[in-house]
Amino acid sequence: AIQLTQSPSSLSASVGDRVTITCRASQDISSALAWYQQKPGKAPKLMIYDASSLQSGVPSRFSGSVSGTDFSLTISSLQPADFATYYCQQFNTYPITFGQGTRLEIK
Amino acid sequence: QVQLQQWGAGLLKPSETLSLTCGVYGGSFRDYYWSWIRQPPGKGLEWIGKINHSGSTNYNPSLKSRVTISVDTSKNQFSLKLTSVTAADTAVYYCARSPLQTDWLDPWGQGTLVTVSS
Repeated sequence: AIQLTQSPSSLSASVGDRVTITCRASQDISSALAWYQQKPGKAPKLMIYDASSLQSGVPSRFSGSVSGTDFSLTISSLQPADFATYYCQQFNTYPITFGQGTRLEIK
Repeated sequence: QVQLQQWGAGLLKPSETLSLTCGVYGGSFRDYYWSWIRQPPGKGLEWIGKINHSGSTNYNPSLKSRVTISVDTSKNQFSLKLTSVTAADTAVYYCARSPLQTDWLDPWGQGTLVTVSS
């Protein structure tokens, strides 16, 4: 199975900060990667699909990019609603797999 | 706006069979794949498998020997059965939708906590 390694595992930041979360795939997955936001007690919410496409209704401060097997999720200016755990997911090869998550906390 | 609503037993004993159902409301059932994903308490996400309206399935090899996903197109529902559960199967189980040609997941059901305990 393809392994996805997210970094950092946790991150403390302040409102207004620009933050980047990275997801590295163990092999080539083309652009078949999505990012999800999960808040405590809630289901994950799709934020980015196909590495860089913004899901409808998601604020434009979220963006995704890819360079080889390295994927990034960037939040340009953190808002209070953005503090959550973020997961990447690859869907290039079965089984579908997820990264271990990055917890974004308020500094 | 499609909504996924799931239900099923929340407390099982070891060796019993987990059974959950997800209902799809307000959208097309035939034009998508339907997945199950689980999340142990405090841990990450694990994809279990998916099915389409005609019953075509794909399972995670790590669970394949114990998992059956089925569909009832007359009710716009799909179901998960996981046999011989142990404490390691304790998790929040989610259902979710994906487009036919790709596998990003949106939307998700509300989640069901299934606890396995003697």
